[in-house]
Amino acid sequence: NAGVMQNPRHLVRRRGQEARLRCSPMKGHSHVYWYRQLPEEGLKFMVYLQKENIIDESGMPKERFSAEFPKEGPSILRIQQVVRGDSAAYFCASSARNTGELFFGEGSRLTVL
Amino acid sequence: KNEVEQSPQNLTAQEGEFITINCSYSVGISALHWLQQHPGGGIVSLFMLSSGKKKHGRLIATINIQEKHSSLHITASHPRDSAVYICAPGTNQFYFGTGTSLTVIP
Repeated sequence: NAGVMQNPRHLVRRRGQEARLRCSPMKGHSHVYWYRQLPEEGLKFMVYLQKENIIDESGMPKERFSAEFPKEGPSILRIQQVVRGDSAAYFCASSARNTGELFFGEGSRLTVL
Repeated sequence: KNEVEQSPQNLTAQEGEFITINCSYSVGISALHWLQQHPGGGIVSLFMLSSGKKKHGRLIATINIQEKHSSLHITASHPRDSAVYICAPGTNQFYFGTGTSLTVIP
């Protein structure tokens, strides 16, 4: 049973480009969470999704960031017009229910030049 | 104002020592996670608690819902326990402490 799969593991973008980060939850998990970890800082909640629904996006920046978890396929975190301050590690976690155990992916490390 | 406070922030211990990491939180929760993050960055969930106490090997986690406090204990610490330990209480979203950086010296 594969764990939470995130790709790409490393992504380099120039300012103004778009970044797309993918997260495939564990098999049977329908709850996905995205977190951001800035350099030398702790994890910060971004968004909580279930299949086809955004449940809580209170941690998402109001502009340029969006997330989806379609009926088929991975969850995607999309960052438009990236800026240097978006450079961070983005972690995805999944669970079988909203109070269930969290399983984390290895993270996607975004570097904006 | 931080929703989650962890102490200590940094901890150095000799191999074999008993270690305690504390977590106090102000948010209402349905569960609390203790996470371990190694220098390579990967995150592993050690425990999920909603009440009482859990034990896995040398690790013990306790939670007091009324006092909004949780502790993580490591018995007979080992250098491979060196990592950052993160407390994460919450409901739909989980609030993360800044972590406790543990170094166990042989």
